[in-house]
Amino acid sequence: EAQVTQNPRYLITVTGKKLTVTCSQNMNHEYMSWYRQDPGLGLRQIYYSMNVEVTDKGDVPEGYKVSRKEKRNFPLILESPSPNQTSLYFCASSLSEGPLDEQYFGPGTRLTVT
Amino acid sequence: AQKITQTQPGMFVQEKEAVTLDCTYDTSDQSYGLFWYKQPSSGEMIFLIYQGSYDEQNATEGRYSLNFQKARKSANLVISASQLGDSAMYFCAMRDRGSTLGRLYFGRGTQLTVWP
Repeated sequence: EAQVTQNPRYLITVTGKKLTVTCSQNMNHEYMSWYRQDPGLGLRQIYYSMNVEVTDKGDVPEGYKVSRKEKRNFPLILESPSPNQTSLYFCASSLSEGPLDEQYFGPGTRLTVT
Repeated sequence: AQKITQTQPGMFVQEKEAVTLDCTYDTSDQSYGLFWYKQPSSGEMIFLIYQGSYDEQNATEGRYSLNFQKARKSANLVISASQLGDSAMYFCAMRDRGSTLGRLYFGRGTQLTVWP
């Protein structure tokens, strides 16, 4: 089954404790992206990747890191999480960055930083 | 300027009735894609339907259809024969060639409630 998986689905952590949210897709997609969703602010892009070893910042990259060492995986790293990073995070992938390609979303990760 | 505008924060519809969720978009590109996603209370983002800017026919997927009016830059979602399970937040989104980030632009969403 074609899908985007994220882990963990739920995470409660403390300020400053490094964490990684994994994302994996099995559709051989070149384009992958991370979004965060906050009430009243909608979905905002954090980072994206056009292909292996090609990543760039989105709208709200501060406090986050990503890597793309393999085509299927695109982990999101929070080196020193802070409470303002409490949010619902989505990983998405598509065949390319082109406008006619649908973005498939993972199930989301609810992160709470205390 | 907002790329995607959804003017209905909330909509109510009775079961088995049809409902239209409004979406207008703003782009100067000729090539763009319009998407609708459903987000139930559990949080996942479920793809519903897609319309490409060059598609001449309105997209349909089961009970979902997209009323695409290019000149008016509108892409309304029509849900026929509503079901209780349709209660969710619905997002309209767009991707265009001007989006060098390949990102989707999302509207603020419409909360649909289906009542028996």
